[in-house]
Amino acid sequence: DAGVIQSPRHEVTEMGQEVTLRCKPISGHNSLFWYRQTMMRGLELLIYFNNNVPIDDSGMPEDRFSAKMPNASFSTLKIQPSEPRDSAVYFCASTPSGLADTQYFGPGTRLTVL
Amino acid sequence: AQSVSQHNHHVILSEAASLELGCNYSYGGTVNLFWYVQYPGQHLQLLLKYFSGDPLVKGIKGFEAEFIKSKFSFNLRKPSVQWSDTAEYFCAVSTSGGYNKLIFGAGTRLAVHP
Repeated sequence: DAGVIQSPRHEVTEMGQEVTLRCKPISGHNSLFWYRQTMMRGLELLIYFNNNVPIDDSGMPEDRFSAKMPNASFSTLKIQPSEPRDSAVYFCASTPSGLADTQYFGPGTRLTVL
Repeated sequence: AQSVSQHNHHVILSEAASLELGCNYSYGGTVNLFWYVQYPGQHLQLLLKYFSGDPLVKGIKGFEAEFIKSKFSFNLRKPSVQWSDTAEYFCAVSTSGGYNKLIFGAGTRLAVHP
């Protein structure tokens, strides 16, 4: 199994630009999570999908952030426009089901907004 | 609201020393408990988890954790650490019955010196 795949692994952009992060969950997993990790705030859940439907987006910081899951094998997290305070590592994780189970994390995307 | 507290932010040990990392959570109902590890530059990996049954849980790489319900604690232990255990350790909680929304602690950075 290839595990959770994220791309790009590193992204450097300038303030105001649009950023799109991508995630491919483990095949057969029907729940997907986006997290953000910073030194100041630690690991924060941004949004959770179950069967491609957003269930909890209460962690999305503001309207500049949006996430989609058009099918079971692909999700995107978009930031538009990006700001320096968005600099962080963004992780995607998936689980076999929505109920309590182990989350499998991807390698993360390190985003730097200049 | 649920929260997870990890008391030690930084721990420095010599090889072969014993390790105990504290984790306390605040939630009065049934919980599922996890310890994840993040090696330098890598993604989070599951060390061990507790859902029910024996409160002493054994995980990978010689780690174990004990769930003490009366103390709302799930401390991580290892009798003898190795240099390769240098990493950041995260305790996480999810409430049983709901979707698997993990609440993470702030993490503990462990440095093991040869």
